[in-house]
Amino acid sequence: QSALTQPASVSGSPGQSITISCTGTNSDVGSNNLVSWYQQHPGKAPKLMIYGGSKRPSGVSTRFSGSKSGNTASLTVSGLQAEDEADYYCCSFAGSGTWVFGGGTKLTVL
Amino acid sequence: QLHLQESGPGLVKPSETLSLTCTVSGGSISSSSYYWGWIRQPPGKGLEWIGSIYYNGGTYDNPSLKSRVTISVDTSKNQFSLKLSSVTAADTAVYFCARQAYDGSGYSFDYWGQGTLVTVSS
Repeated sequence: QSALTQPASVSGSPGQSITISCTGTNSDVGSNNLVSWYQQHPGKAPKLMIYGGSKRPSGVSTRFSGSKSGNTASLTVSGLQAEDEADYYCCSFAGSGTWVFGGGTKLTVL
Repeated sequence: QLHLQESGPGLVKPSETLSLTCTVSGGSISSSSYYWGWIRQPPGKGLEWIGSIYYNGGTYDNPSLKSRVTISVDTSKNQFSLKLSSVTAADTAVYFCARQAYDGSGYSFDYWGQGTLVTVSS
């Protein structure tokens, strides 16, 4: 079971939009619509931001959106704010009851 | 409001067994809509799913951990537990417990404990 591939870092200025990719295989990301995204601030537990590929939990800003094409899922953050600076992780169902996370992406708000 | 709290030794010797318990409050661990999972994060690194358990005891675990994982549930105490055998320094990590909620199509980790650091060292 290999980790999903994410860029190590992305950055953007306040008000801009950024997209974080999450690339897997036909056995995980490409085989289902069960990708979730998590935000983690330093020293804190991860927080669910997107589930089912594109759905937002109650209370999560509409500036966060998710999508998928083939074996790659994406998280877009629009209207960047300073509070969005954090690590972001994708997670996908990988078959046979197992789950796999991405390596994580550090988002820097310039 | 659901609350999850990890507990257990913060220091484990190499080759021994790491044991952690997650206590769930503010909700029942016996609900059919949830799995309960363990995730870990080595210092400065990413998240790794360890395994998950259903209230009836059904489990799934990460094949990369080569059968070192045992996850159990105690519905009478509203707790679930993790045992990881034959630990090495590579098992040093912050260990999180989390709820996996059915979201209409699959399960996502919607509530997390604060995490507990376990160091493997002699």
